[in-house]
Amino acid sequence: AQTVTQSQPEMSVQEAETVTLSCTYDTSESDYYLFWYKQPPSRQMILVIRQEAYKQQNATENRFSVNFQKAAKSFSLKISDSQLGDAAMYFCAYRREGGSEKLVFGKGTKLTVNP
Amino acid sequence: EAQVTQNPRYLITVTGKKLTVTCSQNMNHEYMSWYRQDPGLGLRQIYYSMNVEVTDKGDVPEGYKVSRKEKRNFPLILESPSPNQTSLYFCASSLLVGRAEAFFGQGTRLTVV
Repeated sequence: AQTVTQSQPEMSVQEAETVTLSCTYDTSESDYYLFWYKQPPSRQMILVIRQEAYKQQNATENRFSVNFQKAAKSFSLKISDSQLGDAAMYFCAYRREGGSEKLVFGKGTKLTVNP
Repeated sequence: EAQVTQNPRYLITVTGKKLTVTCSQNMNHEYMSWYRQDPGLGLRQIYYSMNVEVTDKGDVPEGYKVSRKEKRNFPLILESPSPNQTSLYFCASSLLVGRAEAFFGQGTRLTVV
């Protein structure tokens, strides 16, 4: 079974600084997708960024970027120029190719942004 | 506006009293699922549905039921709630495509006393 591991239960960063959240996953599949979801105190789950495993280029969305290392099964999220609104729980998730497959989530990393 | 609507957002109930958490989506998504979120455990899938009248168990289905009579609705039923079902519940929907974004409801905080 696929598993997703987030080894940092909590992280903190100073406003305007850069922070990297770690995620590793275990799979024997070659085709899959990886996601980072943000959960602010409002509880809403918001997609931050996604990566297709077949793409070598790392995904980028404004201040958010990933470092996808397929051989190492690593998928870290980098947040640049951190803002107070970035404070949230961040979940890394994996889904195998095939639309019926579930999202497998890590346990989450709580990010605090200090002013 | 594309959305997944869950109700209620908060619910306190007593052990054994049947309850239903409703979920409705307006995006014509085939795939719908229920997750529970517990501290230190992340989100775990309870049940999922790939289309009307097609449902299947996720990782933690014990004590839960679902139905999918209409494409837009996917209620979660707790026939006899117990305190270990105290949790934060999310309904999600997506297209039946691997890269598809999952859209989540706003969550239901359930407390069983």
